[in-house]
Amino acid sequence: AQSVTQLGSHVSVSEGALVLLRCNYSSSVPPYLFWYVQYPNQGLQLLLKYTSAATLVKGINGFEAEFKKSETSFHLTKPSAHMSDAAEYFCAVTRGAGGGNKLTFGTGTQLKVEL
Amino acid sequence: EAGVAQSPRYKIIEKRQSVAFWCNPISGHATLYWYQQILGQGPKLLIQFQNNGVVDDSQLPKDRFSAERLKGVDSTLKIQPAKLEDSAVYLCASREGAVGMETQYFGPGTRLLVL
Repeated sequence: AQSVTQLGSHVSVSEGALVLLRCNYSSSVPPYLFWYVQYPNQGLQLLLKYTSAATLVKGINGFEAEFKKSETSFHLTKPSAHMSDAAEYFCAVTRGAGGGNKLTFGTGTQLKVEL
Repeated sequence: EAGVAQSPRYKIIEKRQSVAFWCNPISGHATLYWYQQILGQGPKLLIQFQNNGVVDDSQLPKDRFSAERLKGVDSTLKIQPAKLEDSAVYLCASREGAVGMETQYFGPGTRLLVL
């Protein structure tokens, strides 16, 4: 079975500061990993994904994440936060190729960006 | 390209009433998912369809929830009778279905409040 743990249900940063949202995964097989963002009253939008190619993955809106197998982590970062980044962020895992693509989500991290 | 469409966006009902949600996936997407997102939690898979067949419904409360995907396109999710704990956002997602096309695209969700 696969699972993800997101450390910190709420993260607050100043505008222009580094954003770091933590995700650790557990999987008995090589995983695919995803970060989704959810704005208020909207569905989930894919930020980026890791599917066993490059370990450093770049996504939309300046976000990136690095897959670290030794640490079972897939933390999301952005060098400089914008007010528009305020949203809820979900890490998700699925089995790798041929695994059926059932997504298991973390509990989410609410990002607040302050002036 | 049109995204995943869902209706209604909001629904308020009393407990023991029935309710139905509708989803129209992205054109050509063979795989369709229904997720339940309770406030403060990540989405949880209820049911997965591949064309018009059920792939995974292990977490669907079958005594009150039902879903169908006639003709392998649109899908409906029904709750009968509703309980207070069914208050949540119901998200529909679709995926192309081919090997390597692992990204799920989400609709805006239906927000259900059971009083």
